[in-house]
Amino acid sequence: AQSVSQHNHHVILSEAASLELGCNYSYGGTVNLFWYVQYPGQHLQLLLKYFSGDPLVKGIKGFEAEFIKSKFSFNLRKPSVQWSDTAEYFCAVSPYSGAGSYQLTFGKGTKLSVIP
Amino acid sequence: NAGVTQTPKFRVLKTGQSMTLLCAQDMNHEYMYWYRQDPGMGLRLIHYSVGEGTTAKGEVPDGYNVSRLKKQNFLLGLESAAPSQTSVYFCASRQERESSEAFFGQGTRLTVV
Repeated sequence: AQSVSQHNHHVILSEAASLELGCNYSYGGTVNLFWYVQYPGQHLQLLLKYFSGDPLVKGIKGFEAEFIKSKFSFNLRKPSVQWSDTAEYFCAVSPYSGAGSYQLTFGKGTKLSVIP
Repeated sequence: NAGVTQTPKFRVLKTGQSMTLLCAQDMNHEYMYWYRQDPGMGLRLIHYSVGEGTTAKGEVPDGYNVSRLKKQNFLLGLESAAPSQTSVYFCASRQERESSEAFFGQGTRLTVV
């Protein structure tokens, strides 16, 4: 079974600072990778996803993530954060295809607080 | 376009009471999931379904039962609620194909006293 590790539990940044949230996964085969965002009091929404092709994926609201297969990593980045980015961020992994493709495993999440 | 709808949104139960959470999706998705979210624990999978009439256990299934009698609905039942089941419950659905992402409901905040 796959697993996901998010290294930072809580990150505090000032507005305009750059953001990088770490995500590593363990799985022996090809994977789909996702980043979700959960704003306070709301449900999870998709930020971006990777399933094939260019390992640098661009998502909504200026976020991007890079898939590094050799490192089993899918780190989330944003060059300049805003107060409105305050939220919890979840990395998730799913096998690309085959019998286990229904599996969707989440990391424990990273809470981001942006100080105006 | 409703997407994934959960009812109820909030509920307070007494220990030992039972209840059913309803999840309905209108996207004709094959896969459906129930997660619980607790502070510092992320989302933990309770049960899931890969199609109508099928259910399977996830990471934390004890104390819960599920049914998927219709493709669009996925019910989560608590037969005898315990304070440890105080949590926020999220339902999600996905298409059965590569690269599909999950769509989430708004969540149900359940408190067991």
